[in-house]
Amino acid sequence: DQQVKQNSPSLSVQEGRISILNCDYTNSMFDYFLWYKKYPAEGPTFLISISSIKDKNEDGRFTVFLNKSAKHLSLHIVPSQPGDSAVYFCAVTLLNSNSGYALNFGKGTSLLVTP
Amino acid sequence: GAGVSQSPSNKVTEKGKDVELRCDPISGHTALYWYRQRLGQGLEFLIYFQGNSAPDKSGLPSDRFSAERTGESVSTLTIQRTQQEDSAVYLCASSPSTSSYNEQFFGPGTRLTVL
Repeated sequence: DQQVKQNSPSLSVQEGRISILNCDYTNSMFDYFLWYKKYPAEGPTFLISISSIKDKNEDGRFTVFLNKSAKHLSLHIVPSQPGDSAVYFCAVTLLNSNSGYALNFGKGTSLLVTP
Repeated sequence: GAGVSQSPSNKVTEKGKDVELRCDPISGHTALYWYRQRLGQGLEFLIYFQGNSAPDKSGLPSDRFSAERTGESVSTLTIQRTQQEDSAVYLCASSPSTSSYNEQFFGPGTRLTVL
């Protein structure tokens, strides 16, 4: 069962515009919600996170929104830059004695920012 | 400072051979996670180490998979009698704490190809 869904495999945005990446999850018990960015042949790098007690977290050009009632998470990038082109993974987690804070990942959205 | 390192970066092996993948976490990080990413899929959690101990090994794909961690440092993931479906990128991540939420830092991964 896919607990985390990213329904858009790819997204193309013009430089300077807003990029909006979406993610849906199934389990309302998750504590933390994260976005990771991945370039080819590299491991994922942490981008931004939000805890379940908040609905928005902002870090520079990146903002994550959490809608708990809809079980929906989104990442906004404003303004988008060509260097943002990468695969973005949504991940969710909760503390479990057997698996720690193991992350449940979506399949990723490939973002292309064109000049 | 040094990040998470993994070796080898690439491994090509023949079906039926054993392989050993290595992860060097960030020094002082007590939590260590193994994930794998098969082609076109999101990252899949395999096993979690709390210090040297793995509380639950049921996330490993089959009994051909085993993992160890020594001295709260290096971890090895061993796959015996490799099969073609084991082909994937195997990623290791470490985190400072096992009891509170902290960002996971990923290594670059080992790309395993089973012919």
